[in-house]
Amino acid sequence: TQLLEQSPQFLSIQEGENLTVYCNSSSVFSSLQWYRQEPGEGPVLLVTVVTGGEVKKLKRLTFQFGDARKDSSLHITAAQPGDTGLYLCAGANIGSGTYKYIFGTGTRLKVLA
Amino acid sequence: ETGVTQSPTHLIKTRGQQVTLRCSSQSGHNTVSWYQQALGQGPQFIFQYYREEENGRGNFPPRFSGLQFPNYSSELNVNALELDDSALYLCASREGTEAFFGQGTRLTVV
Repeated sequence: TQLLEQSPQFLSIQEGENLTVYCNSSSVFSSLQWYRQEPGEGPVLLVTVVTGGEVKKLKRLTFQFGDARKDSSLHITAAQPGDTGLYLCAGANIGSGTYKYIFGTGTRLKVLA
Repeated sequence: ETGVTQSPTHLIKTRGQQVTLRCSSQSGHNTVSWYQQALGQGPQFIFQYYREEENGRGNFPPRFSGLQFPNYSSELNVNALELDDSALYLCASREGTEAFFGQGTRLTVV
């Protein structure tokens, strides 16, 4: 069974601090996505990474895909209260002609003003 | 705004009943997948449909079934509802590697 473990599970920080969220697996994924989800809403796609070692930046957010495509990290610089939410990584795999999409366990971030 | 809409937004059903949830995919996306998200947890993959055929399934029993229509809209059917089926049900349309989610249907089984 493929699993995506995220750490930390919960994070509460002050506005202006930096943070990193990790997404780890023993399985290789063909691509990995990061989402942010607000209460009562569906996840909103932030980024997709496909190539091992790939780094993508989205304003204050930096995403990295591990060289072996088994892990990823999300780094937020100078966090703001608007960054508060549930951050989810999700990995995609196609094997034997079937498709599976696995979500991580989630990291709940709270940024205090 | 993802262009993916789900209906209804909220639903209450009694244990043992059947339920049908609907999803209208983003225009041009021929793949739709369904997820179950229990409170405080990440979404769990139920299954995926590509051009009206199921081409991927997670660890859910056969009482969870689905349909995809020629216009790529989709249904999730759950038979013999159990209390543990209470959750937020999400559908996502996909083109390539990226999935775009609807706002979800909150199902409560009493």
